[in-house]
Amino acid sequence: GAVVSQHPSRVICKSGTSVKIECRSLDFQATTMFWYRQFPKQSLMLMATSNEGSKATYEQGVEKDKFLINHASLTLSTLTVTSAHPEDSSFYICSARSASGGLQQETQYFGPGTRLLVL
Amino acid sequence: GQNIDQPTEMTATEGAIVQINCTYQTSGFNGLFWYQQHAGEAPTFLSYNVLDGLEEKGRFSSFLSRSKGYSYLLLKELQMKDSASYLCAVMDSNYQLIWGAGTKLIIKP
Repeated sequence: GAVVSQHPSRVICKSGTSVKIECRSLDFQATTMFWYRQFPKQSLMLMATSNEGSKATYEQGVEKDKFLINHASLTLSTLTVTSAHPEDSSFYICSARSASGGLQQETQYFGPGTRLLVL
Repeated sequence: GQNIDQPTEMTATEGAIVQINCTYQTSGFNGLFWYQQHAGEAPTFLSYNVLDGLEEKGRFSSFLSRSKGYSYLLLKELQMKDSASYLCAVMDSNYQLIWGAGTKLIIKP
């Protein structure tokens, strides 16, 4: 149980284009989903927290107009990188936290990540 | 401020035992997590401790002392596939995860 999928796994795009990344919880309902970014050899950096049906909460320094997050259902959240630039190239990882009780409610389960390369 | 400390890198021998320590200072505490992250992959959940003591799960065990702000992850019978980064994360009073920088574990034959 507790499987999270992410699509696409890799994307290469031209500077100025927009890229959408999907995150799905496959076998559980996620009240909360998280979006992280990780640069090579660095730790995870939380970008934003999204709760189903409400606006995302962005971490300091993360531009909400550039990184659009939509959490339309208990199993799907999307991150859109608008007008991508080479400095946005990174490993983007989503995680989901269950709506049910017990340990699963507290644990974040990660998707496999999306490697974005902006040329 | 909130702070999670763990060693940057450790080296151990195949078949041996290694202990990865994590100390933390956070605003509130709602549990401590250990994740494993292989290079180029997303983290995978290993363990969760919210009460003091040792939790054993196969070759991996995790220990917590809330009064000391301290945890460790113990890996026994090391295998080459255990070479990875091990991330310590604490859930604070707002149920947000505060992440350590990770410990890169290198296993030598």
